[in-house]
Amino acid sequence: DVKVTQSSRYLVKRTGEKVFLECVQDMDHENMFWYRQDPGLGLRLIYFSYDVKMKEKGDIPEGYSVSREKKERFSLILESASTNQTSMYLCASSLGTGQGRNTQYFGPGTRLTVL
Amino acid sequence: AQSVAQPEDQVNVAEGNPLTVKCTYSVSGNPYLFWYVQYPNRGLQFLLKYITGDNLVKGSYGFEAEFNKSQTSFHLKKPSALVSDSALYFCAVREGTGGFKTIFGAGTRLFVKA
Repeated sequence: DVKVTQSSRYLVKRTGEKVFLECVQDMDHENMFWYRQDPGLGLRLIYFSYDVKMKEKGDIPEGYSVSREKKERFSLILESASTNQTSMYLCASSLGTGQGRNTQYFGPGTRLTVL
Repeated sequence: AQSVAQPEDQVNVAEGNPLTVKCTYSVSGNPYLFWYVQYPNRGLQFLLKYITGDNLVKGSYGFEAEFNKSQTSFHLKKPSALVSDSALYFCAVREGTGGFKTIFGAGTRLFVKA
């Protein structure tokens, strides 16, 4: 089974702090994704990566950056946390992009509260 | 542009009754369609997907979904609901011709009453 782990289940930070969310997958997947989940809005894509050191902006990248130095690890960085970034953050990975390879597997999520 | 609509915020059904969770989509080209389920305080779990072939797709936990191209729908169904099916369900679509983005619906909360 694919396992996607996230470094924290719950996190409380203060406005202006720099926040790191870590995600690790153990199945040699090429693609990794960061989403935020908010009630009534579903999942919105923040960033994704299709290879080591490669990244693409999703629909809501403002206020976030990412890092993928190793294939198995994809980090989401909040440069200066703000209260409107309080949310559930979900990491996902997929084998690739072709038919049969694009099912995404999700981590348990990190519930971030910014005070 | 791709889009997904889940027209019901909430679906209530009695245990043992059939359930349907609705999803419609818009995509240029052939769609890849997915259903995911989220239990409380958990990440999303993959249920099933349609890529090509048979319009009726069977997935985990007794769920199935029917792809209807003319109605651009991909409704999730189960013949007999269980209380343990109560969760948040997400429909998702991706354009089959390439790209990386999968678009998720807003989610439908299913309540199954004993």
